[in-house]
Amino acid sequence: EPEVTQTPSHQVTQMGQEVILRCVPISNHLYFYWYRQILGQKVEFLVSFYNNEISEKSEIFDDQFSVERPDGSNFTLKIRSTKLEDSAMYFCASNLAGKRYEFFGPGTRLTVL
Amino acid sequence: AQSVTQLDSQVPVFEEAPVELRCNYSSSVSVYLFWYVQYPNQGLQLLLKYLSGSTLVKGINGFEAEFNKSQTSFHLRKPSVHISDTAEYFCAVSVNYGGSQGNLIFGKGTKLSVKP
Repeated sequence: EPEVTQTPSHQVTQMGQEVILRCVPISNHLYFYWYRQILGQKVEFLVSFYNNEISEKSEIFDDQFSVERPDGSNFTLKIRSTKLEDSAMYFCASNLAGKRYEFFGPGTRLTVL
Repeated sequence: AQSVTQLDSQVPVFEEAPVELRCNYSSSVSVYLFWYVQYPNQGLQLLLKYLSGSTLVKGINGFEAEFNKSQTSFHLRKPSVHISDTAEYFCAVSVNYGGSQGNLIFGKGTKLSVKP
């Protein structure tokens, strides 16, 4: 069964450093998403991406964040200058047009020291 | 704006007992409803969904949920739980934009702990 994959599974970085989280959505999906879950808190929407542009973003997704689909398979989330409060589990998800639910990846745990 | 409330942060039950995990939502527009399960150190897996039609929906692993529009609830139930059901369960909604879907809004999650 096709699945969303994410790399790395765990990323440790120093405050102020740039990180790129990578995702490979399911191949025929057209909508892509990033969510995050700070430890002990709810899963929060960050951004959705369709047709090579951001379709919606939350207030969390400020200028420090960016997303890109650099080729036909990868979908990346970049945090330009990480802060301690960016420490969280980041989930990538994808959706096929016409479907009403999202397929989630296993997540990348980002730890900012 | 939409919101989801999961009143119970933790639910301990004994194996083979029934369980109900509660979810209430708030929305002024039509929504789709979902339950996701997160096993330890894993991602989110769709358990079941309500899109339209019958208000009783059945999902994987013997779970079911009932959409109650008047009470704005979507409680998750299982008649007999197993140790392997130990996980965190998330209720989520998305706005029904006349056929297309908004992003998911999650509740805080309920940790189900099944004891032998």
